[in-house]
Amino acid sequence: DGGITQSPKYLFRKEGQNVTLSCEQNLNHDAMYWYRQDPGQGLRLIYYSQIVNDFQKGDIAEGYSVSREKKESFPLTVTSAQKNPTAFYLCAITTGTGHNGYTFGSGTRLTVV
Amino acid sequence: AQSVTQLDSQVPVFEEAPVELRCNYSSSVSVYLFWYVQYPNQGLQLLLKYLSGSTLVKGINGFEAEFNKSQTSFHLRKPSVHISDTAEYFCAVTDAGGTSYGKLTFGQGTILTVHP
Repeated sequence: DGGITQSPKYLFRKEGQNVTLSCEQNLNHDAMYWYRQDPGQGLRLIYYSQIVNDFQKGDIAEGYSVSREKKESFPLTVTSAQKNPTAFYLCAITTGTGHNGYTFGSGTRLTVV
Repeated sequence: AQSVTQLDSQVPVFEEAPVELRCNYSSSVSVYLFWYVQYPNQGLQLLLKYLSGSTLVKGINGFEAEFNKSQTSFHLRKPSVHISDTAEYFCAVTDAGGTSYGKLTFGQGTILTVHP
């Protein structure tokens, strides 16, 4: 994963529960992103953060929350308000204005049971 | 804002044959373009990127892509594929001016299946 770690790899959630997905990096990158991947829909941006203690909503933020208390950590909480949370979640990091592209974590597959 | 369209959702091909995965983008500003590969249940790995300069970009695993500004395209090619190239491929774009704060917009993905 080149210095970016997502955990757990698989996660099962009962309806009505909140769950938190972990994303940790040791590459000292400023920018961190959460994407959701569904078959045939590509990757859709949930939240992103350019700096500690600041984050912005992406295209599909409803039902999700994040925090950025430390540079190396950007956890994503999937709340009970997210009506269709079953998906593959990817965390990514980059430097600068994006010209380096992203380094991705290995993903967390969340399933609602 | 930018958008990306990958013109084929699935591309089947025989081993050692050439392949082209098509990507068109839309943007009112200059862009950076990327191709990523994803193997099952894994994250995405950068194949190559276009920032500026030569329109033919070479990447890892023998892949290359050509930026065509007039046709707003960034097609990915490989002259001879292997079974191990079976994966999903994503085209992505961000604006070169940095106003997107590094956010990438991704296409829907193309599943490349290489048959023996």
